[in-house]
Amino acid sequence: SQTIHQWPATLVQPVGSPLSLECTVEGTSNPNLYWYRQAAGRGLQLLFYSVGIGQISSEVPQNLSASRPQDRQFILSSKKLLLSDSGFYLCAWRNRGDLYWDGYTFGSGTRLTVV
Amino acid sequence: LAKTTQPISMDSYEGQEVNITCSHNNIATNDYITWYQQFPSQGPRFIIQGYKTKVTNEVASLFIPADRKSSTLSLPRVSLSDTAVYYCLVGDHSGSARQLTFGSGTQLTVLP
Repeated sequence: SQTIHQWPATLVQPVGSPLSLECTVEGTSNPNLYWYRQAAGRGLQLLFYSVGIGQISSEVPQNLSASRPQDRQFILSSKKLLLSDSGFYLCAWRNRGDLYWDGYTFGSGTRLTVV
Repeated sequence: LAKTTQPISMDSYEGQEVNITCSHNNIATNDYITWYQQFPSQGPRFIIQGYKTKVTNEVASLFIPADRKSSTLSLPRVSLSDTAVYYCLVGDHSGSARQLTFGSGTQLTVLP
């Protein structure tokens, strides 16, 4: 069965520090991968998505970047965190080969607090 | 991607049936309608998906009228554990990215 792993679960970082969040998927190959952010009490905002190794599309200009060094690994990074980067970060995947539009599977999320 | 509109919040009591309606006036021919459930500090969880008429699974039913400009998620006999945010999304199966756009969702609160 397919599973998605996301870590760490919680993170407190000072302003100006770097960030690296990792997401890995098991049990599938060549998935579409996504990073979302959710501010407190708000809906989910798509940050990045990837349809293959090294292929990253950005939805919103920001202080963050994403990379996909391996087929089932998706990394969210920042060189210098801002207070506004605080939020709940979620990784998601879906199969690219499906002929119909089915559901995404989300990770358990990382709660990032920038202080 | 079609824009969706749904109520910000709803209250219900245990044991009642809850219907959450979502409007998607500019839905395209290839678009499917999908509902997700999200508990605090967790990722959204897929509930149900449909294209037209009615879809039912072990968790919920989805009613879609002929014009497909709206859809209704029906939760039978809710319990306290159904308190969550429910998102309605509309998207098509064209293109390789198929990224999702989430709205603000509906906060459902089930009262004892």
